[in-house]
Amino acid sequence: GQNIDQPTEMTATEGAIVQINCTYQTSGFNGLFWYQQHAGEAPTFLSYNVLDGLEEKGRFSSFLSRSKGYSYLLLKELQMKDSASYLCAVRDQEYQLIWGAGTKLIIKP
Amino acid sequence: IAGITQAPTSQILAAGRRMTLRCTQDMRHNAMYWYRQDLGLGLRLIHYSNTAGTTGKGEVPDGYSVSRANTDDFPLTLASAVPSQTSVYFCASSDGQNSDTQYFGPGTRLTVL
Repeated sequence: GQNIDQPTEMTATEGAIVQINCTYQTSGFNGLFWYQQHAGEAPTFLSYNVLDGLEEKGRFSSFLSRSKGYSYLLLKELQMKDSASYLCAVRDQEYQLIWGAGTKLIIKP
Repeated sequence: IAGITQAPTSQILAAGRRMTLRCTQDMRHNAMYWYRQDLGLGLRLIHYSNTAGTTGKGEVPDGYSVSRANTDDFPLTLASAVPSQTSVYFCASSDGQNSDTQYFGPGTRLTVL
């Protein structure tokens, strides 16, 4: 079966750095996405990786290792507004997105 | 309209009733999707449409139907609602560019009693 694993919840301190991991086992691979979802709102696109390596976008970076079936989202200089759920999704060989259950990130002052 | 809109925002429905959730996008995206999101689970694909006039089944299609008469609209119908269909429903569309990123509507919170 297809599976996306990410931690259920993480806590970090304002101003710090946090890394959210995602491991996947899917039928084929055609890209990995990270989305941010604030409580009661829709998911919003953060990043896309299709080749191995690091993609940096401001305070957020995303890393991919296809051989290990592994990705992480790195958030720097954490702000209170970063409190949200972070969703990892992989596009499989059928070109459909398989979604993880999300990681709830709690930021403490 | 800017992006994707969904209606209604929320609805309480008696079991056995028919309900249509509406979704409209103004980005001229070819592909559209319906997901449900339940606590502790990832988004699950119900139905999708790669282009106007075509639809396909996702992971959890039973009890739901869709149509795609034009590019902009993609309604989701529950023919006879059951309590297990209580969920938050998100409509999305994708841009067909290199990453084919999906963009989401604000969601409909549906409660079936």
